Amino acid sequence: QQQVKQSPQSLIVQKGGISIINCAYENTAFDYFPWYQQFPGKGPALLIAIRPDVSEKKEGRFTISFNKSAKQFSLHIMDSQPGDSATYFCAASSDSSASKIIFGSGTRLSIRP
Amino acid sequence: GAVVSQHPSWVICKSGTSVKIECRSLDFQATTMFWYRQFPKQSLMLMATSNEGSKATYEQGVEKDKFLINHASLTLSTLTVTSAHPEDSSFYICSALFGGAYEQYFGPGTRLTVT
Repeated sequence: QQQVKQSPQSLIVQKGGISIINCAYENTAFDYFPWYQQFPGKGPALLIAIRPDVSEKKEGRFTISFNKSAKQFSLHIMDSQPGDSATYFCAASSDSSASKIIFGSGTRLSIRP
Repeated sequence: GAVVSQHPSWVICKSGTSVKIECRSLDFQATTMFWYRQFPKQSLMLMATSNEGSKATYEQGVEKDKFLINHASLTLSTLTVTSAHPEDSSFYICSALFGGAYEQYFGPGTRLTVT
């Protein structure tokens, strides 16, 4: 019940295309859903986050779509660029879990020029 | 803002020795920090929660006597890998809880290689 399932494991997108990564969770106590971007040999960087009281959040080219009833959320990267090539992790957290973050398994995104 | 640093960025040590990794929040105070371990091409695995002024809380399966955590100030937490063995070789990442209850900012990680 604590898991966050992420798909796909890897994704190749042409430059300028839309990259879509999906996640699903079981624990309805989760109330904070961040996305992290990680480059090789670096720590994860917070990209964008959403709470379940909204269905969508957009920051620049990055958009989170959230479906509370389906317990699913996704990251859309518009106009994908080679510099977006990285590993992306979805995650979930709740106040009742002492702010511990449960990470998805990660998606390795490659943007082809 | 919300910058977290780690030192060293990489370390090589011999089997049986101990190594200390520092995690600092540079521009904010963090009462709570977290330590993660990441194997190649895998996700982050939470090892322990570090609270300033109190004992760390370890996740199930993590040996507290092997991975010593000290959070002596609001800006510094340390992880000491004691009697390191080759299987402890990994990428260790810390994070600090910023502001409210949820936002965590991560350090750049420390690559530990035990020979």
